[in-house]
Amino acid sequence: DTGVSQDPRHKITKRGQNVTFRCDPISEHNRLYWYRQTLGQGPEFLTYFQNEAQLEKSRLLSDRFSAERPKGSFSTLEIQRTEQGDSAMYLCASSLSGASGTEAFFGQGTRLTVV
Amino acid sequence: AQKVTQAQTEISVVEKEDVTLDCVYETRDTTYYLFWYKQPPSGELVFLIRRNSFDEQNEISGRYSWNFQKSTSSFNFTITASQVVDSAVYFCALRCIEEYGNKLVFGAGTILRVKS
Repeated sequence: DTGVSQDPRHKITKRGQNVTFRCDPISEHNRLYWYRQTLGQGPEFLTYFQNEAQLEKSRLLSDRFSAERPKGSFSTLEIQRTEQGDSAMYLCASSLSGASGTEAFFGQGTRLTVV
Repeated sequence: AQKVTQAQTEISVVEKEDVTLDCVYETRDTTYYLFWYKQPPSGELVFLIRRNSFDEQNEISGRYSWNFQKSTSSFNFTITASQVVDSAVYFCALRCIEEYGNKLVFGAGTILRVKS
């Protein structure tokens, strides 16, 4: 499978626990994005990497959230001290750099439920 | 501010009917890109089309067609002769270059249900 893959697909955690999600982009893509999607809404931008550099972070990304892309390949998104409001689908996408109109390809997402 | 509005929350049609999904966007940028994505129940967003702000030519791809009108800031999507497999959530999205870098701003989506 050469698409964007995310792991795990589902995660149930207790409030206050830390969780980490992984995203493996399409191999030749140097841009990687994280989005969050709540029920009945469109995805909302969280953060974006070009290679290993984190170039933009949304104000939605509180200090409990951290993302890394250490070698410019896979990325991790960690949420510390989870809250019920963090329950959502977390989507990863990747794209080529160059023309800004280049489309992003999305993974199937990680559905987080905080109980 | 960048904004995408999809006023239709849910549409139900019978198979073989034509259906149009509306998208209205707001931006002050002169260079921007518009996208449509499909999200089937599996959850993965599937890219359908990209259009840049300088190209108002309408596009047809099989049963899909898109109507881009800058005068009304709209980028509507029509499915001709709908099929049950078209049932999904459809998102319109905007990417602006000058202000917001590379991120996509999505509308809330339109749920399309095609009944046999």
